Amino acid sequence: QKEVEQDPGPLSVPEGAIVSLNCTYSNSAFQYFMWYRQYSRKGPELLMYTYSSGNKEDGRFTAQVDKSSKYISLFIRDSQPSDSATYLCAMDTGRRALTFGSGTRLQVQP
Amino acid sequence: DAGVTQSPTHLIKTRGQQVTLRCSPISGHKSVSWYQQVLGQGPQFIFQYYEKEERGRGNFPDRFSARQFPNYSSELNVNALLLGDSALYLCASSLEETQYFGPGTRLLVL
Repeated sequence: QKEVEQDPGPLSVPEGAIVSLNCTYSNSAFQYFMWYRQYSRKGPELLMYTYSSGNKEDGRFTAQVDKSSKYISLFIRDSQPSDSATYLCAMDTGRRALTFGSGTRLQVQP
Repeated sequence: DAGVTQSPTHLIKTRGQQVTLRCSPISGHKSVSWYQQVLGQGPQFIFQYYEKEERGRGNFPDRFSARQFPNYSSELNVNALLLGDSALYLCASSLEETQYFGPGTRLLVL
């Protein structure tokens, strides 16, 4: 069993839709939770970083962490074609050795 | 401010050869980490260096080695290349918990 599970998609939505991306994890030692966006053939770009359970909002993006269920989510409001990319969840125990999910490919149709 | 830079951008090698990849962190960042990303997968942690010392190592064979220089730049070396080493090699720099990735070096082993 992988430490971090993420549905690979692809996920196709119309422009303007609300997108929900999710990861589950098994390691209770994970303390830090991140979402990265990766465009094709580029390096991952940090979108959101959270430490505690609860919600964190930044513009159109909301990150949600539920440590009791070992479940994290990223919501994208008013999705745009430019949001089309692969979204990676990543987690860290504090050792700065990130464990990534396999990524969800998102396609926003104009 | 310049982000994380990596060189070269692309590289083609044959099996059995050796390769050296280079990374310059964001100014002021003292920690550098290396990741391997195989097509269709999330990045996998290889090494973390802080103040020129190895602070963490992932599940990679001894053919992989790295070092960090006094100016905090870093090199990743891979000896005796195998076909399976073909991947995008990512460098990330960090000041605290958040890691910022470079564009990567795409290595193809023939």
